[in-house]
Amino acid sequence: QKEVEQNSGPLSVPEGAIASLNCTYSDRGSQSFFWYRQYSGKSPELIMSIYSNGDKEDGRFTAQLNKASQYVSLLIRDSQPSDSATYLCAVNRLTGGGNKLTFGTGTQLKVEL
Amino acid sequence: DAEITQSPRHKITETGRQVTLACHQTWNHNNMFWYRQDLGHGLRLIHYSYGVQDTNKGEVSDGYSVSRSNTEDLPLTLESAASSQTSVYFCASSDTRTGGREQYFGPGTRLTVT
Repeated sequence: QKEVEQNSGPLSVPEGAIASLNCTYSDRGSQSFFWYRQYSGKSPELIMSIYSNGDKEDGRFTAQLNKASQYVSLLIRDSQPSDSATYLCAVNRLTGGGNKLTFGTGTQLKVEL
Repeated sequence: DAEITQSPRHKITETGRQVTLACHQTWNHNNMFWYRQDLGHGLRLIHYSYGVQDTNKGEVSDGYSVSRSNTEDLPLTLESAASSQTSVYFCASSDTRTGGREQYFGPGTRLTVT
C-alpha cells in the first residue's frame, strides 16, 4: 500500500464547475497535509495547507481533512482553464530532527471550455 | 526578493561522470531537501538537511550525496551518473522558525544521462 494515494486522472470538469480531488494516506501519525499545484514543466507550488480536522477555505479553494478516515480532499470552485494542472497531495510527519513530506503521484485536472 | 534557485536548469551528461546540481536559497531556511520526480513515481526524497553540517538519507539516496557547509546551499552530487538517474530534480526548503512543515520548491533541473 502506498503511503499517499491519489487517483491519477485525468479528471475532466467543465469551466465553472466544482473540481473535487481526493487523497488517502496510510500513516496515522501524519500531522499536516498539503496540496501543491504543478503545471506541466514547472515546479510544485504550495496552494493549501491543513492541520486539523474540518474545512479550510482560501478563495476558490477548500481543503478538507478527516483524520479518522485518513482522507484529505481539495475542492476547487468555479473551475477555470488556468486550474488545469497536476495536483499533488503531501503528508507531513515529524521524524527525528524535523519534518518530512511524502507525496502522492498526483491527479491531473483538466478544465474544459 | 528572497528565492530558491537551481543550476543548471538542463544538463546532459554521460554515464560514469560525476555531476553536481546546485541549490541556493536566500530565505535563510534551516531545512533543505532534494527530490527527484519521475513518471509513475511522483516526488521522491533523495537527501535532506536540517541545518549546517547536518545531512540525512531519503528513500532513494543510493548514488547521491550532499553536503551542507552553509545555510544557503545544498549541492547534490551524483558520484557516477547512471541512466537510471535521468530525471527532473527539485530542491526545496522550509523554515524551522514557522514550524518547518511547508516546503517551497526551486524551478528544477532536468538531467539526462546518456
